[in-house]
Amino acid sequence: QVQLQESGPGLVKPSQTLSLTCTVSGVSISSGVYYWSWVRQHPGKGLEWIGSIYYSGTTYYNPALKSPVSISVDTSKNQFSLKLRSVTAADTAVYYCARGAGYCSGGTCHPLDYWGQGTLVTVSS
Amino acid sequence: QSALTQPASVSGSPGQSITISCTGTSYDIGIYKFVSWYQQHPGKAPKLMIFDVNNRPSGVSNRFSGSKSGNTASLTISGLQAEDEADYYCSSYTISSTWVFGGGTKLTVL
Repeated sequence: QVQLQESGPGLVKPSQTLSLTCTVSGVSISSGVYYWSWVRQHPGKGLEWIGSIYYSGTTYYNPALKSPVSISVDTSKNQFSLKLRSVTAADTAVYYCARGAGYCSGGTCHPLDYWGQGTLVTVSS
Repeated sequence: QSALTQPASVSGSPGQSITISCTGTSYDIGIYKFVSWYQQHPGKAPKLMIFDVNNRPSGVSNRFSGSKSGNTASLTISGLQAEDEADYYCSSYTISSTWVFGGGTKLTVL
């Protein structure tokens, strides 16, 4: 059974770096079939795709994000991570990790079919 | 990239059918079949209901169906049930190799 679990601090100070890790079980990130993604949801608002990563390290990001973002992968731990730098209160949200999305090729795309439970990150001093 | 446009709310009575629209552009929905729909109950993670415009993942009721015409995709729920009350989001792949969501639609079962 595929499972994803987010972990990281629930409170981050403004201008600092938000760091979250997603631990995947039930499937190997190295299988190379899927991309792995981060999605966030501001309180009471809709979903926002942050970015996606492939096991090789290839990444795609939402160009609309104001805070610098990077996603990395650690295949030895079957984890992928999110870093959002110079955060502001506008980055307060529930952050989800999920399997799928990313680059579509050869007429094939993988939707976000498995999600973590989400973790609330508050940016406040 | 701009969010896809969805109605803020729709409602229907048990047993009825409702349709939620999702309007994009010729840079996303208009050129790709990679449209998905997600259901989200309060405090829960989103759940994939439809992918590739009109395909259902295993375990999703056949009361849920999807379609697309031009730049607009639609989700139809037939035989409305109380458990269908939730927020629904559409999503599409874009020409920039990115993904965009709709603003979400709150479905109320009267």
